[in-house]
Amino acid sequence: AQSVSQHNHHVILSEAASLELGCNYSYGGTVNLFWYVQYPGQHLQLLLKYFSGDPLVKGIKGFEAEFIKSKFSFNLRKPSVQWSDTAEYFCAVKAGGAGGTSYGKLTFGQGTILTVHP
Amino acid sequence: GAGVSQTPSNKVTEKGKYVELRCDPISGHTALYWYRQSLGQGPEFLIYFQGTGAADDSGLPNDRFFAVRPEGSVSTLKIQRTERGDSAVYLCASSQSPSAEAFFGQGTRLTVV
Repeated sequence: AQSVSQHNHHVILSEAASLELGCNYSYGGTVNLFWYVQYPGQHLQLLLKYFSGDPLVKGIKGFEAEFIKSKFSFNLRKPSVQWSDTAEYFCAVKAGGAGGTSYGKLTFGQGTILTVHP
Repeated sequence: GAGVSQTPSNKVTEKGKYVELRCDPISGHTALYWYRQSLGQGPEFLIYFQGTGAADDSGLPNDRFFAVRPEGSVSTLKIQRTERGDSAVYLCASSQSPSAEAFFGQGTRLTVV
Protein backbone atom coordinates (compact mmCIF):
# COMPACT_ATOMS: atom_id res chain seq x y z
CA ALA A 1 0.00 0.00 0.00
CA GLN A 2 1.10 3.54 -0.67
CA SER A 3 1.68 6.18 2.00
CA VAL A 4 2.65 9.84 1.79
CA SER A 5 4.35 12.01 4.39
CA GLN A 6 4.49 15.80 4.31
CA HIS A 7 7.13 17.21 6.59
CA ASN A 8 5.58 20.48 7.64
CA HIS A 9 2.09 21.05 8.96
CA HIS A 10 2.22 24.84 8.81
CA VAL A 11 4.69 27.09 6.99
CA ILE A 12 4.68 30.86 7.43
CA LEU A 13 6.56 33.07 4.96
CA SER A 14 6.77 36.67 3.89
CA GLU A 15 6.07 37.66 0.32
CA ALA A 16 9.01 37.11 -2.07
CA ALA A 17 10.49 34.39 0.13
CA SER A 18 11.35 31.08 -1.48
CA LEU A 19 9.24 28.01 -0.73
CA GLU A 20 10.02 24.35 -0.48
CA LEU A 21 7.45 21.87 0.84
CA GLY A 22 8.68 18.38 1.52
CA CYS A 23 6.90 15.22 0.41
CA ASN A 24 8.07 11.64 0.77
CA TYR A 25 6.15 8.59 -0.34
CA SER A 26 6.35 4.91 0.33
CA TYR A 27 5.52 2.48 -2.46
CA GLY A 28 7.49 -0.32 -4.05
CA GLY A 29 6.38 0.09 -7.65
CA THR A 30 5.95 2.72 -10.31
CA VAL A 31 4.23 5.84 -9.06
CA ASN A 32 2.51 8.88 -10.41
CA LEU A 33 2.91 11.94 -8.20
CA PHE A 34 0.75 15.01 -7.72
CA TRP A 35 0.53 18.25 -5.82
CA TYR A 36 -2.93 19.65 -5.17
CA VAL A 37 -3.78 23.03 -3.68
CA GLN A 38 -6.87 24.11 -1.77
CA TYR A 39 -7.38 27.85 -1.51
CA PRO A 40 -9.61 29.07 1.32
CA GLY A 41 -13.23 28.20 0.58
CA GLN A 42 -12.42 26.47 -2.69
CA HIS A 43 -12.14 22.91 -3.92
CA LEU A 44 -8.96 20.93 -4.45
CA GLN A 45 -7.14 21.88 -7.65
CA LEU A 46 -4.24 20.21 -9.41
CA LEU A 47 -0.99 22.20 -9.28
CA LEU A 48 1.24 19.76 -11.13
CA LYS A 49 1.81 16.08 -11.79
CA TYR A 50 4.60 13.68 -12.63
CA PHE A 51 3.96 10.53 -14.64
CA SER A 52 7.27 9.85 -16.41
CA GLY A 53 10.14 11.58 -18.21
CA ASP A 54 11.84 14.73 -16.96
CA PRO A 55 11.81 14.53 -13.16
CA LEU A 56 11.52 18.31 -12.88
CA VAL A 57 7.95 19.26 -13.57
CA LYS A 58 6.47 22.70 -13.85
CA GLY A 59 2.96 23.53 -12.85
CA ILE A 60 0.64 26.49 -12.69
CA LYS A 61 1.40 29.78 -10.94
CA GLY A 62 5.18 29.33 -11.03
CA PHE A 63 5.28 26.15 -8.97
CA GLU A 64 7.60 23.28 -9.77
CA ALA A 65 8.44 19.94 -8.21
CA GLU A 66 11.30 17.51 -8.53
CA PHE A 67 10.93 13.75 -8.41
CA ILE A 68 13.97 12.13 -6.81
CA LYS A 69 13.40 8.41 -7.12
CA SER A 70 16.33 7.41 -4.89
CA LYS A 71 14.92 9.51 -2.06
CA PHE A 72 11.25 8.69 -2.70
CA SER A 73 10.66 12.43 -2.67
CA PHE A 74 8.59 14.91 -4.66
CA ASN A 75 9.22 18.31 -3.10
CA LEU A 76 7.29 21.38 -4.20
CA ARG A 77 9.13 24.64 -4.82
CA LYS A 78 8.46 28.22 -5.76
CA PRO A 79 11.23 30.83 -5.94
CA SER A 80 9.13 33.77 -4.77
CA VAL A 81 5.78 33.35 -3.03
CA GLN A 82 2.89 35.79 -3.13
CA TRP A 83 0.16 36.53 -0.62
CA SER A 84 -2.27 34.79 -2.99
CA ASP A 85 -0.37 31.51 -2.51
CA THR A 86 -1.84 31.23 0.98
CA ALA A 87 -3.57 27.86 0.88
CA GLU A 88 -3.27 24.24 1.95
CA TYR A 89 -1.06 22.04 -0.20
CA PHE A 90 -1.41 18.28 -0.55
CA CYS A 91 1.04 15.82 -2.02
CA ALA A 92 -0.52 12.66 -3.46
CA VAL A 93 0.60 9.41 -5.05
CA LYS A 94 -1.09 6.95 -7.35
CA ALA A 95 0.15 3.53 -8.39
CA GLY A 96 1.43 3.78 -11.94
CA GLY A 97 1.32 1.29 -14.74
CA ALA A 98 3.04 0.58 -18.02
CA GLY A 99 2.82 3.09 -20.82
CA GLY A 100 1.87 6.01 -18.62
CA THR A 101 -1.28 4.46 -17.24
CA SER A 102 -2.20 4.64 -13.63
CA TYR A 103 -4.68 3.02 -11.37
CA GLY A 104 -7.57 4.61 -9.57
CA LYS A 105 -7.10 5.97 -6.16
CA LEU A 106 -4.93 8.79 -4.92
CA THR A 107 -3.23 8.50 -1.54
CA PHE A 108 -2.78 11.94 0.04
CA GLY A 109 -0.41 13.34 2.61
CA GLN A 110 -1.80 15.15 5.62
CA GLY A 111 -1.36 18.56 3.99
CA THR A 112 0.76 21.66 4.63
CA ILE A 113 -0.88 24.97 5.38
CA LEU A 114 1.06 27.83 3.81
CA THR A 115 0.49 31.33 5.15
CA VAL A 116 2.13 34.18 3.25
CA HIS A 117 2.27 37.57 4.93
CA PRO A 118 2.23 40.62 2.66
CA GLY B 1 -21.75 20.43 -16.21
CA ALA B 2 -18.88 22.80 -15.66
CA GLY B 3 -17.48 20.95 -12.69
CA VAL B 4 -18.14 18.23 -10.17
CA SER B 5 -21.24 19.07 -8.20
CA GLN B 6 -21.97 17.72 -4.73
CA THR B 7 -25.19 18.04 -2.79
CA PRO B 8 -25.96 18.98 -0.15
CA SER B 9 -23.05 21.24 0.71
CA ASN B 10 -23.80 20.80 4.40
CA LYS B 11 -25.69 18.09 6.24
CA VAL B 12 -26.39 17.86 9.94
CA THR B 13 -27.90 14.62 11.15
CA GLU B 14 -28.55 12.87 14.41
CA LYS B 15 -26.57 9.88 15.51
CA GLY B 16 -28.15 6.69 14.22
CA LYS B 17 -29.82 8.28 11.20
CA TYR B 18 -29.31 7.38 7.54
CA VAL B 19 -27.83 9.88 5.09
CA GLU B 20 -27.27 10.05 1.35
CA LEU B 21 -24.69 12.26 -0.30
CA ARG B 22 -24.88 12.95 -4.02
CA CYS B 23 -22.18 13.52 -6.60
CA ASP B 24 -22.70 14.77 -10.15
CA PRO B 25 -19.46 14.23 -12.07
CA ILE B 26 -18.27 16.15 -15.08
CA SER B 27 -20.17 14.96 -18.14
CA GLY B 28 -18.38 12.14 -19.92
CA HIS B 29 -16.08 11.26 -17.06
CA THR B 30 -16.08 7.50 -16.61
CA ALA B 31 -14.08 7.37 -13.38
CA LEU B 32 -15.58 8.61 -10.12
CA TYR B 33 -14.02 8.66 -6.66
CA TRP B 34 -15.21 9.29 -3.12
CA TYR B 35 -12.87 10.54 -0.42
CA ARG B 36 -13.35 11.58 3.20
CA GLN B 37 -11.42 14.42 4.79
CA SER B 38 -11.31 14.85 8.53
CA LEU B 39 -10.11 18.05 10.17
CA GLY B 40 -6.35 18.49 9.82
CA GLN B 41 -5.97 15.47 7.56
CA GLY B 42 -5.60 14.86 3.87
CA PRO B 43 -8.39 13.25 1.87
CA GLU B 44 -8.73 9.54 2.55
CA PHE B 45 -9.85 7.22 -0.26
CA LEU B 46 -13.19 5.47 0.13
CA ILE B 47 -14.28 4.00 -3.21
CA TYR B 48 -13.63 4.28 -6.93
CA PHE B 49 -16.04 3.57 -9.78
CA GLN B 50 -15.15 2.87 -13.36
CA GLY B 51 -18.44 3.19 -15.19
CA THR B 52 -21.21 1.61 -13.15
CA GLY B 53 -19.05 -0.82 -11.22
CA ALA B 54 -17.00 -0.29 -8.09
CA ALA B 55 -13.44 -1.02 -9.21
CA ASP B 56 -12.00 -0.55 -5.73
CA ASP B 57 -14.01 -0.25 -2.51
CA SER B 58 -11.13 -1.03 -0.19
CA GLY B 59 -11.38 2.33 1.57
CA LEU B 60 -14.93 1.95 2.86
CA PRO B 61 -14.46 1.81 6.64
CA ASN B 62 -17.22 -0.70 7.40
CA ASP B 63 -20.50 -2.09 6.10
CA ARG B 64 -22.44 1.02 7.17
CA PHE B 65 -20.97 2.73 4.12
CA PHE B 66 -22.18 1.95 0.63
CA ALA B 67 -22.04 3.73 -2.71
CA VAL B 68 -23.79 3.28 -6.03
CA ARG B 69 -23.50 4.62 -9.54
CA PRO B 70 -26.34 2.85 -11.36
CA GLU B 71 -26.12 4.60 -14.74
CA GLY B 72 -22.43 5.40 -14.79
CA SER B 73 -22.93 9.07 -14.07
CA VAL B 74 -24.39 10.34 -10.77
CA SER B 75 -23.19 8.56 -7.66
CA THR B 76 -24.68 8.38 -4.19
CA LEU B 77 -22.75 7.63 -1.02
CA LYS B 78 -24.99 6.11 1.62
CA ILE B 79 -24.21 5.93 5.31
CA GLN B 80 -26.40 3.91 7.65
CA ARG B 81 -26.66 4.29 11.43
CA THR B 82 -24.41 7.34 11.41
CA GLU B 83 -21.92 7.82 14.23
CA ARG B 84 -20.25 10.99 15.50
CA GLY B 85 -16.97 9.71 14.07
CA ASP B 86 -18.46 9.89 10.58
CA SER B 87 -18.39 13.68 10.78
CA ALA B 88 -16.08 14.90 8.01
CA VAL B 89 -16.06 16.51 4.58
CA TYR B 90 -16.94 13.97 1.92
CA LEU B 91 -15.28 14.73 -1.40
CA CYS B 92 -16.16 13.46 -4.83
CA ALA B 93 -13.86 13.57 -7.84
CA SER B 94 -14.15 12.46 -11.45
CA SER B 95 -11.79 11.93 -14.35
CA GLN B 96 -12.01 10.98 -18.01
CA SER B 97 -10.11 7.79 -17.27
CA PRO B 98 -8.15 6.32 -14.36
CA SER B 99 -4.97 7.85 -15.83
CA ALA B 100 -6.35 11.34 -16.30
CA GLU B 101 -6.43 14.26 -13.89
CA ALA B 102 -9.09 14.02 -11.20
CA PHE B 103 -11.33 17.06 -10.71
CA PHE B 104 -12.76 17.55 -7.24
CA GLY B 105 -16.08 18.90 -6.06
CA GLN B 106 -16.54 21.30 -3.17
CA GLY B 107 -17.48 18.51 -0.85
CA THR B 108 -20.33 17.81 1.55
CA ARG B 109 -19.67 18.68 5.17
CA LEU B 110 -21.41 16.03 7.27
CA THR B 111 -21.93 16.67 10.97
CA VAL B 112 -23.36 13.93 13.15
CA VAL B 113 -24.71 15.22 16.46
